[in-house]
Amino acid sequence: DQQVKQNSPSLSVQEGRISILNCDYTNSMFDYFLWYKKYPAEGPTFLISISSIKDKNEDGRFTVFLNKSAKHLSLHIVPSQPGDSAVYFCAASATGTYKYIFGTGTRLKVLA
Amino acid sequence: DTGVSQDPRHKITKRGQNVTFRCDPISEHNRLYWYRQTLGQGPEFLTYFQNEAQLEKSRLLSDRFSAERPKGSFSTLEIQRTEQGDSAMYLCASSLGTIETQYFGPGTRLLVL
Repeated sequence: DQQVKQNSPSLSVQEGRISILNCDYTNSMFDYFLWYKKYPAEGPTFLISISSIKDKNEDGRFTVFLNKSAKHLSLHIVPSQPGDSAVYFCAASATGTYKYIFGTGTRLKVLA
Repeated sequence: DTGVSQDPRHKITKRGQNVTFRCDPISEHNRLYWYRQTLGQGPEFLTYFQNEAQLEKSRLLSDRFSAERPKGSFSTLEIQRTEQGDSAMYLCASSLGTIETQYFGPGTRLLVL
């Protein structure tokens, strides 16, 4: 049972344009969400988070949007840079639990 | 560098051998997590420590797996009688709070031949 889904395994975007990565979840108890970036042979690096009391959180070039009614979140990167090329994971957790449930990742390639 | 560290970074072993991995969390973090990641998947939760207490274990953690955090600082993950299906990246993460950002180490990549 995949509680967190990233349905696009890969995405290619031109440098300078916007990258939009999507994530859907099924568990309505999830109330905290994270996005991680992962380069090959490295551990995931934290990017940005959002709590269910918000619908948007912004940090520099990265913005996360949360649509609770649709159980959907998205990560916007603008402008995209070649160094953003990596695998992006969304992760969700519920208050009272200790673990994050991760999606399967989206490989972003930013073309110069 | 005061991030999460893991040792070794790579381990190749033969089926049936025992292996042990170490994780050193960020110093002020009292919560420590182990995850496993296989090709094409996201990290999967294995177990969680708050200080030295192991508070949750995933059903993925079979009897051959054991984790410890004896003094509430570093942690070890041991796999006994390794199987080829144990080949994966083993990730350690730490955090200050329960529902707070978890910071990951570089991982230990295990290959069981």
